[in-house]
Amino acid sequence: GENVEQHPSTLSVQEGDSAVIKCTYSDSASNYFPWYKQELGKGPQLIIDIRSNVGEKKDQRIAVTLNKTAKHFSLHITETQPEDSAVYFCAASGNFGNEKLTFGTGTRLTIIP
Amino acid sequence: EPEVTQTPSHQVTQMGQEVILRCVPISNHLYFYWYRQILGQKVEFLVSFYNNEISEKSEIFDDQFSVERPDGSNFTLKIRSTKLEDSAMYFCASTRERSYEQYFGPGTRLTVT
Repeated sequence: GENVEQHPSTLSVQEGDSAVIKCTYSDSASNYFPWYKQELGKGPQLIIDIRSNVGEKKDQRIAVTLNKTAKHFSLHITETQPEDSAVYFCAASGNFGNEKLTFGTGTRLTIIP
Repeated sequence: EPEVTQTPSHQVTQMGQEVILRCVPISNHLYFYWYRQILGQKVEFLVSFYNNEISEKSEIFDDQFSVERPDGSNFTLKIRSTKLEDSAMYFCASTRERSYEQYFGPGTRLTVT
């Protein structure tokens, strides 16, 4: 089955700087890669996603890049703000929609004011 | 904006007791999921449900677990005889048909003593 690795496990960034979180996946059949933000005591919130027919997607300060050949994808947050502090999870799923998500181990991002 | 809701937010039960966790998925969604997250670990898939049937389940989802859609709005996870290792956050998620984006509820924290 699919295995998703995520690095780093913790990341501290000065407010205003950029943060990058990286994930690799094992199953070449995976085609959908979402990123979730989880704040303390809450459920995962979908913040951005990318499908395999696209190499990069951007939404304001957040971007995701995908390299299907190397089987890795990354989350980029620019101009970080204190409210970006949370745990971020990457995930992967298959080609047909409605399939289960396989999650990475999470990255605790702390923005230092 | 429609949200997935879950009740209760926290459930404490004794080992061997049965628990039912409840979820109300987003109203026009047709696929439903349960995931769990043991404290400090990744989110793990348990089961997916569509058209009143289980579509996929993980090895975690053994005979002590069952799911049901008892009416047009609720989706439940029953654990028949709880064990200490069932202590975790349980998240419900839902998605539209032929869609990739899964939306998660706030979770139920299950504590088995």
